[in-house]
Amino acid sequence: KAGVTQTPRYLIKTRGQQVTLSCSPISGHRSVSWYQQTPGQGLQFLFEYFSETQRNKGNFPGRFSGRQFSNSRSEMNVSTLELGDSALYLCASRDARGRQNSPLHFGNGTRLTVT
Amino acid sequence: AQTVTQSQPEMSVQEAETVTLSCTYDTSESDYYLFWYKQPPSRQMILVIRQEAYKQQNATENRFSVNFQKAAKSFSLKISDSQLGDAAMYFCALTNNAGNMLTFGGGTRLMVKP
Repeated sequence: KAGVTQTPRYLIKTRGQQVTLSCSPISGHRSVSWYQQTPGQGLQFLFEYFSETQRNKGNFPGRFSGRQFSNSRSEMNVSTLELGDSALYLCASRDARGRQNSPLHFGNGTRLTVT
Repeated sequence: AQTVTQSQPEMSVQEAETVTLSCTYDTSESDYYLFWYKQPPSRQMILVIRQEAYKQQNATENRFSVNFQKAAKSFSLKISDSQLGDAAMYFCALTNNAGNMLTFGGGTRLMVKP
């Protein structure tokens, strides 16, 4: 089974631009969540989607948004980029049919650099 | 709000020896799960071990085991017979009740000396 695939692996953008990151979950996984990882703030939860619906959202400004398609693939968008948005963005999927201990399976992340 | 604290930013261990990484947490949930994830330089987070809070028995996965002290809200990871491939960042994490959000600790960088 293929793992979680994130594209692109690296991205360089300029302040004020917007960016879209993509995530393909493990086949059969309907839950996709996103995390931001920075040296200062560590790993922080952005949001989680299940069957195209956002079920949970972290404490991030409205510039951060996401969506999930009918095939469970997910995208996250960051508008009006700021220098502080430079981070590793990790996507994770899980088989949410089971109990809550069903673990997250992570992708390799997208390294976003804002200049 | 949930919090997870890893008090050791860095640890080192000699190859073949045993090391314990500490983690404490706080939650108001009655039902939750705890995880240890490993992040090597490749950046991919890999599940090491998980523990259901309602289970008193400590989880074990090969060379990895946990010491789960629910009353103390402590969840430490013991790595036995350390190998060079164990060198990585280790993150302790806690689920919310719905299981759809993880709260992570700040991480512990483990170095393994040959």
